[in-house]
Amino acid sequence: GIQVEQSPPDLILQEGANSTLRCNFSDSVNNLQWFHQNPWGQLINLFYIPSGTKQNGRLSATTVATERYSLLYISSSQTTDSGVYFCAACSNDYKLSFGAGTTVTVRA
Amino acid sequence: NAGVMQNPRHLVRRRGQEARLRCSPMKGHSHVYWYRQLPEEGLKFMVYLQKENIIDESGMPKERFSAEFPKEGPSILRIQQVVRGDSAAYFCASSPPGGFETQNIQYFGAGTRLSVL
Repeated sequence: GIQVEQSPPDLILQEGANSTLRCNFSDSVNNLQWFHQNPWGQLINLFYIPSGTKQNGRLSATTVATERYSLLYISSSQTTDSGVYFCAACSNDYKLSFGAGTTVTVRA
Repeated sequence: NAGVMQNPRHLVRRRGQEARLRCSPMKGHSHVYWYRQLPEEGLKFMVYLQKENIIDESGMPKERFSAEFPKEGPSILRIQQVVRGDSAAYFCASSPPGGFETQNIQYFGAGTRLSVL
């Protein structure tokens, strides 16, 4: 199956800072999604982005499918942005393969 | 428009008991997926179902685990004779009709946390 790698594994931010999370994948994708797992364990859908760029408030994402990577941008971070961010992808099927996640801690 | 509903949110079982996890997909969705998040293994695909059909159960453990998605009612993930190693978060996702060649975004529920004592 497709391999998904995320970096960095951990990120500590001061409130108000900007950051970039990266997701590399090993094959062409028909689905790529970003999730935020909050401290209560819930998985929140952020973006469905197999290609192109999308924005939602302070978050945006870009996937460059030809180069097999995706980036998640967090701008003006807030303490509520803390949690684990997962990238997940499918390659010609429906089984999402998840990366190991980036743990983000935003300090006030 | 309600999202994917999972219940219970937390489930405690003693070793040897049965666990039943329920998932109601989003309205209009006919595809259901179950994933498991183990502490040291991350999120892994378990099974993919459509109404009354198991399409792919390649991620399910060979014994004690079963899943169904009946014509009426929620999808059920059933774990018989639970052991401590079954303790994990179990997530359900759903997607609208259509093959994976079309837009097949998966919407996730809040998960069920199973603790086996």
